[in-house]
Amino acid sequence: ETGVTQTPRHLVMGMTNKKSLKCEQHLGHNAMYWYKQSAKKPLELMFVYSLEERVENNSVPSRFSPECPNSSHLFLHLHTLQPEDSALYLCASSQDLRDNEQYFGPGTRLTVT
Amino acid sequence: QKEVEQDPGPLSVPEGAIVSLNCTYSNSAFQYFMWYRQYSRKGPELLMYTYSSGNKEDGRFTAQVDKSSKYISLFIRDSQPSDSATYLCAIGDNAGKSTFGDGTTLTVKP
Repeated sequence: ETGVTQTPRHLVMGMTNKKSLKCEQHLGHNAMYWYKQSAKKPLELMFVYSLEERVENNSVPSRFSPECPNSSHLFLHLHTLQPEDSALYLCASSQDLRDNEQYFGPGTRLTVT
Repeated sequence: QKEVEQDPGPLSVPEGAIVSLNCTYSNSAFQYFMWYRQYSRKGPELLMYTYSSGNKEDGRFTAQVDKSSKYISLFIRDSQPSDSATYLCAIGDNAGKSTFGDGTTLTVKP
């Protein structure tokens, strides 16, 4: 595997379910990001991790809970989501926090029913 | 006012046309300028990255930055159907934070 991978690629969940999104980067990068992409809206930065430490949380509701166990892996734990949370969730990585060149995964298309 | 404004499109051009995609930004602290290409059902792919005013060329793609006007452009020469995608501009600051435009969807018709 090369680049940034994400699983699952598609997820349908009910509002009472708990699920997790997984991201893995094979680039040796130190910074990882979660973004939300909704139709006709710009990419919304959700969380930023640098060397496994969360450095930014952009006022994201607590029903989204990130986890970064090491510099290669990033999770987004989901619980009691709302239908408006349906979107494409993108993971990205960069060499370090000050590097604007970000490499994205394919995304997880999430539908909340 | 949004920090980054991108021409909304959509844009439809015939194969072989020259395409111009444009963004403006409001914060002069932005120093880094990126263009990403996003195919349907895929994540964005970094296409061009620059940090200075002027032109940067890569094959059929040219990124142009005018810091004095806070205006950036991406030109695609000899456009191909495979260029059909959504193009996102992104502007970055020295802390590594990027702000994205809404995206312009391009269709190149054979």
